[in-house]
Amino acid sequence: AQSVTQLGSHVSVSEGALVLLRCNYSSSVPPYLFWYVQYPNQGLQLLLKYTTGATLVKGINGFEAEFKKSETSFHLTKPSAHMSDAAEYFCAAGGSNYKLTFGKGTLLTVNP
Amino acid sequence: NAGVTQTPKFQVLKTGQSMTLQCAQDMNHEYMSWYRQDPGMGLRLIHYSVGAGITDQGEVPNGYNVSRSTTEDFPLRLLSAAPSQTSVYFCASSYSAGFEETQYFGPGTRLLVL
Repeated sequence: AQSVTQLGSHVSVSEGALVLLRCNYSSSVPPYLFWYVQYPNQGLQLLLKYTTGATLVKGINGFEAEFKKSETSFHLTKPSAHMSDAAEYFCAAGGSNYKLTFGKGTLLTVNP
Repeated sequence: NAGVTQTPKFQVLKTGQSMTLQCAQDMNHEYMSWYRQDPGMGLRLIHYSVGAGITDQGEVPNGYNVSRSTTEDFPLRLLSAAPSQTSVYFCASSYSAGFEETQYFGPGTRLLVL
């Protein structure tokens, strides 16, 4: 069964600092991988996704993620945090049965 | 396009009551799904549908029923609400069941069962 682990339920960074949110997946077959962002009292919005091809994926709002098969990881990064990046971030993996498995989420706080 | 819409936004139920959470999309998407979101648990798939007349169970289907009579609508029914069903419910849709397609999420329904 697919599982997704997000390391750190809460990450705090200063404005302008590097953002690194960690995600590892468990699968014998490389899955499809996603990062979603959820702002307070809103639904989820897709940041980026990896399906096939280039392992470095660029998304919206300056975020990017790199698929590393050898490490079964799909960490999310942004070079310089902005106050507007404060939100909860979810990593998800999809298998061949069209079901998405989500991680438990990481709350990102950006300090001025 | 209105995208994915959900009603109601908030609902309070008493244990044992029934209700239907509505989900509609106007993007002609074939694939629709329901998730529940609980603190520290992420989102968990309840039921999904790959097209009108076709539904299947997700990770946590117990206590919930679904049907898909039209492409646009995918209601979620709670037949006898329990406090354990207190959660935020999200509906999502995509053009097809393949993960090449982006899933679009609705704004959610917050449900409190007393």
